[in-house]
Amino acid sequence: AQSVTQLDSQVPVFEEAPVELRCNYSSSVSVYLFWYVQYPNQGLQLLLKYLSGSTLVKGINGFEAEFNKSQTSFHLRKPSVHISDTAEYFCAVAETSGSRLTFGEGTQLTVNP
Amino acid sequence: DAGITQSPRHKVTETGTPVTLRCHQTENHRYMYWYRQDPGHGLRLIHYSYGVKDTDKGEVSDGYSVSRSKTEDFLLTLESATSSQTSVYFCAISTGTGNQPQHFGDGTRLSIL
Repeated sequence: AQSVTQLDSQVPVFEEAPVELRCNYSSSVSVYLFWYVQYPNQGLQLLLKYLSGSTLVKGINGFEAEFNKSQTSFHLRKPSVHISDTAEYFCAVAETSGSRLTFGEGTQLTVNP
Repeated sequence: DAGITQSPRHKVTETGTPVTLRCHQTENHRYMYWYRQDPGHGLRLIHYSYGVKDTDKGEVSDGYSVSRSKTEDFLLTLESATSSQTSVYFCAISTGTGNQPQHFGDGTRLSIL
């Protein structure tokens, strides 16, 4: 079985500042990794995914994430945030042989003017 | 956007009553999922389906049942609702292979008084 830990439940930042949302995972088998974003009163939207190959993956809205196998981490970054990035962000992991996702607890990103 | 419709979007009901939530997809995806979202817990899998009449339990399946009689519809039933089942419920669909992301509906906010 796999598990996901998002290390910060809330991250407040000022507009145009950089941000990193941290995600660690645990699994005994190979995994795929995902970041989703949830805006208020909406469902989850896929930001980016790591399947294989380059450990740095780029997603929508200027976000990127780096897969670090030795540290079992998949941290999400953005060099300059906007007010519109205020949302909850979820890290998720899936076994390469499976069809189920395991989610972290979520990180609320609040961008202040 | 993936064609996923959840109904109802909001429901208030009383303890002990039966409740059925519906998820309808137009993508002809094989896999469908029901999650519940609670603060501090992220999304937790209730049940999922890998084909018509093929379903399996997730991590929080107690008190819930599901049915899938057609590819496009996946029903979640609370036989006798309890206050602990007050939550936001999300349906998701996917092609099923681990490297394909799940696509989410907009959720159903269920309050049990």
